[in-house]
Amino acid sequence: QVQLVQSGAEVKKPGASVKVSCKTSGYTFSNYQMYWVRQAPGQGLEWMGIISPSSGTTNYAQKFQGRVTLTRDTSTSTVYMELSSLKSEDTAVYYCARGDRASVWWGSSDYWGQGTLVTISS
Amino acid sequence: EIVLTQSPGTLSLSPGERATLSCRASQSVSSNYLAWYQQKPGQAPRLLIYDASNRATGIPDRFSGSGSGTDFTLTISRLEPEDFAVYYCQQYGSSVTFGPGTKVDIK
Repeated sequence: QVQLVQSGAEVKKPGASVKVSCKTSGYTFSNYQMYWVRQAPGQGLEWMGIISPSSGTTNYAQKFQGRVTLTRDTSTSTVYMELSSLKSEDTAVYYCARGDRASVWWGSSDYWGQGTLVTISS
Repeated sequence: EIVLTQSPGTLSLSPGERATLSCRASQSVSSNYLAWYQQKPGQAPRLLIYDASNRATGIPDRFSGSGSGTDFTLTISRLEPEDFAVYYCQQYGSSVTFGPGTKVDIK
């Protein structure tokens, strides 16, 4: 069965960086795009970016351009989201979410990781 | 960027009642690439509807999606106790954006 398992909660200081992992299993890793979405406490969902696991091609929401980097490791079927220059407003649950259609750039997300809480506090 | 507006913000209904949720886009959504998600507290979102009207795998048929262009609707024909949650629409016709959500709570 398809599984997306994310790394554990993080506490970071303002100005630092955080790197969250999303290890996948149960499907052909290279065939489906991976999205990253975040949710601040009590708030809605916010799309951050997308990565093609096969090529490594990325596309980022304008809001996060220059601060977010998505990468992947095909040998372990894992994708990573790194966010730099952290601010208190970056406190949120970060989700990886698989695109629902093979080899298509944009789509809805049929499988989600369990979420990773990132807390920014001095 | 396509901005999605959802209404109402909160919908208070009783089990067994019909729920109608609206999602309006600031410009036409290409190919009706619009999805609906359900989210319960402490859980990841769950895909309900994709491409405006297609139910995702395992989703009960009391959930249905309709609409095109800029106006979309999620209908829950008869609310079950487990349906009380927050619902988000998402467009993926031009990059990706989410609506602010509609909370369906128990009256």
